[in-house]
Amino acid sequence: EVQLVESGGGLVQPGGSLRLSCKASGFTFDHYGNYGVHWVRQTPGRDLEWVSGILWNRGLKGYADSVKGRFAISRDNGKDSLFLQMNNLRADDTALYYCVTDREAGGMDVWGQGTTVTVSS
Amino acid sequence: DVVMTQSPLSLPVTLGEPASISCKSSQGLVHSDGNTYLNWFRQRPGQSPRRLIYKVSNRDSGVPDRFSGSGSGTDFTLKISRVEAEDVGVYYCMQATRWPITFGQGTRLEIK
Repeated sequence: EVQLVESGGGLVQPGGSLRLSCKASGFTFDHYGNYGVHWVRQTPGRDLEWVSGILWNRGLKGYADSVKGRFAISRDNGKDSLFLQMNNLRADDTALYYCVTDREAGGMDVWGQGTTVTVSS
Repeated sequence: DVVMTQSPLSLPVTLGEPASISCKSSQGLVHSDGNTYLNWFRQRPGQSPRRLIYKVSNRDSGVPDRFSGSGSGTDFTLKISRVEAEDVGVYYCMQATRWPITFGQGTRLEIK
């Protein structure tokens, strides 16, 4: 079964850092390496916001303006894992963070269950 | 950034009746490769979003044929020919033609 499993969420104070991880199961990111793997967050108000993405093989990265300069996406081909380093966290970063992958261009067809990030003092 | 605007935001529907959700983009969504990367998702309570339609009008595996997607340019529509109880949830459109990828605000479908 194709699955994505996120981890690393938690409660952190404003200004703090967290590192999210996403592991593929039942497939490899490299198999669909021409396409993207993304972090998408869902706010408490249920809005969906694309946070960051990486084109797996080429390593090209993109970020939402709201996180540029604070978040960094990376991958580990050997561990078939995706990461999101989140620094200088703010209250409005509080959300459920999903790992999402494309199995074709523009796909966004496989979603994990999400990991919750809460930024609060 | 491409702004995606859905309407209505709330959609009460009688069982067996049709439903339609509109999604308008602030820019055309035709990619340089000729494809239009406009997807529809449904999210049920407590679940992750699930893709229903990709590239405007292609149904994902297991999606009933009462769901259909259409549109071009900047105007897109998701239609349900006869609403069933299991269709309750929040529906989102999304464009992946241009980064940043952007989503609509969501339309909550409920049974009257």
